[in-house]
Amino acid sequence: EIVLTQSPGTLSLSPGERATLSCWASQSVSSTSLAWYQQKPGQAPRLLIYGASSRATGIPDRFTGSGSGTDFILTISRLEPEDFAVYYCQQYGRSPWTFGQGTMVEIK
Amino acid sequence: EGQLVQSGAEVKKPGESLRISCKGSGYKFTDYYISWVRQMPGKGLEWMGRIDPSDSRTAYSPSFQGHVTFSADKSISTVYLQWSSLKASDTAMYYCATVTTGYWGQGTLVTVSS
Repeated sequence: EIVLTQSPGTLSLSPGERATLSCWASQSVSSTSLAWYQQKPGQAPRLLIYGASSRATGIPDRFTGSGSGTDFILTISRLEPEDFAVYYCQQYGRSPWTFGQGTMVEIK
Repeated sequence: EGQLVQSGAEVKKPGESLRISCKGSGYKFTDYYISWVRQMPGKGLEWMGRIDPSDSRTAYSPSFQGHVTFSADKSISTVYLQWSSLKASDTAMYYCATVTTGYWGQGTLVTVSS
């Protein structure tokens, strides 16, 4: 099973700042099979990025996914108030598909 | 725009059986795997497994193998998650979702309590 480890656990930032979230895989993940999700309290997760770097429909371009192999990054260029949430990475290239444990982005 | 709509919240007793559903619309239902995802209260997302609605082939996470069953009825664009004997530890929100298209159900809250 591929274990995904997200860092940091919590990121405290102010609106307008840049957020950098990391996702490390215990084994190499196909770059076509890495996704990022945003989840707000009481809501279902929302797909942000698939294929490591492709934005899902309707996702603003301040969200950028990058990386390959075992190291992946989600960057939010300038945090908007609505971006404060929990973010998860997921690999779907090798069964069982797995999620990281999440990074909470909170208002500083 | 595609969407997934799940059945409503359930309250059950330990040992009871349960089946919840997830109905797709607005896209070709048989084109994409549907995953089931568990989220226990205050915790992260756990991938339970997936089903291919076109032929009902399944893949289960080892953590859930043998405790849940996925099925599909493509004639009504619906997939199901079933338990034969619930435990209190099954209390959670359950989501159905496609991956690359980003369709998620609204979630079904399952509460198991004596």
